[in-house]
Amino acid sequence: KQEVTQIPAALSVPEGENLVLNCSFTDSAIYNLQWFRQDPGKGLTSLLLIQSSQREQTSGRLNASLDKSSGRSTLYIAASQPGDSATYLCAVFGFQKLVFGTGTRLLVSP
Amino acid sequence: GAVVSQHPSRVICKSGTSVKIECRSLDFQATTMFWYRQFPKQSLMLMATSNEGSKATYEQGVEKDKFLINHASLTLSTLTVTSAHPEDSSFYICSARTGATEAFFGQGTRLTVV
Repeated sequence: KQEVTQIPAALSVPEGENLVLNCSFTDSAIYNLQWFRQDPGKGLTSLLLIQSSQREQTSGRLNASLDKSSGRSTLYIAASQPGDSATYLCAVFGFQKLVFGTGTRLLVSP
Repeated sequence: GAVVSQHPSRVICKSGTSVKIECRSLDFQATTMFWYRQFPKQSLMLMATSNEGSKATYEQGVEKDKFLINHASLTLSTLTVTSAHPEDSSFYICSARTGATEAFFGQGTRLTVV
């Protein structure tokens, strides 16, 4: 059974800092990995999708990496802003299932 | 990206009644749809996976008679919470995809059972 864990569970940083969110998964037989953000009481916004054959993806200030063999992915956020405050979720797509991580609640203070 | 429309966004119902939530892929055909449940401050828990034209596959611990899932077409899946009780109050989100591609999510349904 795939288990996805995110560390840290919560993170509070001042504006402008670069930060790294971690995601680990137990079964490396995945098709892809996706990072999302979720604002309180809202649905999910897709940030980045990494196919299993890829090592990283970038979008603006976000960079996600994938090391399938070690079961790890990181989301790097450069020059954080208060608007980045949200919960960040990683999700891995394995055999017909998309399994979510435990989430990281990020607070960026002005 | 592709659009997944989930309706209603909020619903309040009386205990013992049934509630239907719809999930539509608006501009693509979804061979697979997933239904998730999210409790406050927790992550999304997969409830079931449905493929068009076949019965849904439920995760362990999810009552299939309580949470009825129908995936009658490539663009529509429905989740019916039958005989709802206050403990069924939660945030329900659907996801649609075609093959091993990016997953697209509806905006979720906040269900409150009173």
